[in-house]
Amino acid sequence: QKEVEQDPGPLSVPEGAIVSLNCTYSNSAFQYFMWYRQYSRKGPELLMYTYSSGNKEDGRFTAQVDKSSKYISLFIRDSQPSDSATYLCAMAKQGAQKLVFGQGTRLTINP
Amino acid sequence: EAEVAQSPRYKITEKSQAVAFWCDPISGHATLYWYRQILGQGPELLVQFQDESVVDDSQLPKDRFSAERLKGVDSTLKIQPAELGDSAMYLCASSPPRTSGGIRYEQYFGPGTRLTVT
Repeated sequence: QKEVEQDPGPLSVPEGAIVSLNCTYSNSAFQYFMWYRQYSRKGPELLMYTYSSGNKEDGRFTAQVDKSSKYISLFIRDSQPSDSATYLCAMAKQGAQKLVFGQGTRLTINP
Repeated sequence: EAEVAQSPRYKITEKSQAVAFWCDPISGHATLYWYRQILGQGPELLVQFQDESVVDDSQLPKDRFSAERLKGVDSTLKIQPAELGDSAMYLCASSPPRTSGGIRYEQYFGPGTRLTVT
């Protein structure tokens, strides 16, 4: 069993929809959580970085962490075609900077 | 905006040949990472440097892979000999230095080197 599970999709939604992307993890030692966006043939770009349980908002993006359920989410409001990309969740344990990534979810926003 | 630089962007090589990738992290970032990303999967850590020292190379196939960061700034990852299964994206990342708040966990990635072994 992988430490971090993420549905690979693909996920296709119409422009303007709210998108929900999720990851589950098995190791309660994970304390730091990140979401990356990766366009085709590019490197991952950091979108959101959270530590504690709860919500963090940045523009159209909201990251949510539920440590009790070992579940993290990324919500995208008013989705745009430019949001079409692969979204990767990543997490780290206290004191260890190594990131463990999910498989990534491929998202397409249709105009 | 400061970025992680990598070269080359693309590399095609024949199996059994040697290949090398170069990375220059964001200025001031003491921690540098090399990841491998197979198509359709998330990146997996190969090696982590703190300045010029290796912190974690537990997933580096040491029979054929080597990495160095001699002056604690830029870094080189080498594969010799390359095998067909090495075809992947090789990503370099760096982290900001520790602050009074502690270790910085977020990582910033370069554009990657896409390797094709034929």
